[in-house]
Amino acid sequence: QSVLTQPPSVSGAPGQRVTISCTGSNSNIGAGYDVHWYQQLPGTVPKLIIYGNTNRPSGVPDRFSGSKSVTSASLVITGLQAEDEADYYCQSYDTSGLYLFGTGTTVTVL
Amino acid sequence: QVHLQQWGAGLLKPSETLSLTCAVYGGSFSDFYWSWIRQPPGKGLEWIGEINHRGTTNYNPSLKSRVTLSVDTSKDQFSLKVSSVTAADTALYYCARGHSHILWSPWGQGTQVTVSS
Repeated sequence: QSVLTQPPSVSGAPGQRVTISCTGSNSNIGAGYDVHWYQQLPGTVPKLIIYGNTNRPSGVPDRFSGSKSVTSASLVITGLQAEDEADYYCQSYDTSGLYLFGTGTTVTVL
Repeated sequence: QVHLQQWGAGLLKPSETLSLTCAVYGGSFSDFYWSWIRQPPGKGLEWIGEINHRGTTNYNPSLKSRVTLSVDTSKDQFSLKVSSVTAADTALYYCARGHSHILWSPWGQGTQVTVSS
């Protein structure tokens, strides 16, 4: 089964910029499907923070931004804050008809 | 504002059938696909499948043989059944609203399902 690969963890000091990568393949991101990002704060339900590669739902701070390249995507947090400490998952769609989640990245604020 | 409320049995024995239901409040049930997602303890998210108001389904191939989704449009509810559960099915199960392959917030509150003899 296809996989979206993310780094297990990233960290940064408050105010810094951190980037989370999401690497797919020609059967998902490379096939033209959009990438979406979810934030899961400790002990809570995942929340959509980026959809359609670059768009933020209402209420999501503009320090979160997304981008997409050929077979990969990135989530950038600019001006890291303590409340951003969470797990982050990318998600796309696969030609096999499957919603595909990334392996997940834990963001730690130092 | 859409609200998803889910419920179902939380403790099962191996070989039993998992059964969960999700009710949708405050939104248009017919405009979306309705998904189930699960998260084993300490692990990542896995999409299980989706159904629309007509009963059209899409399943994760890895679970398809054991999963059944159904819908009750008179109550704006959809349900998940997973047969022959094992310890590997122990997870937090979520329901969610899908459109254009996006799983829109808010999701259901989650139901912990534990399979143990």
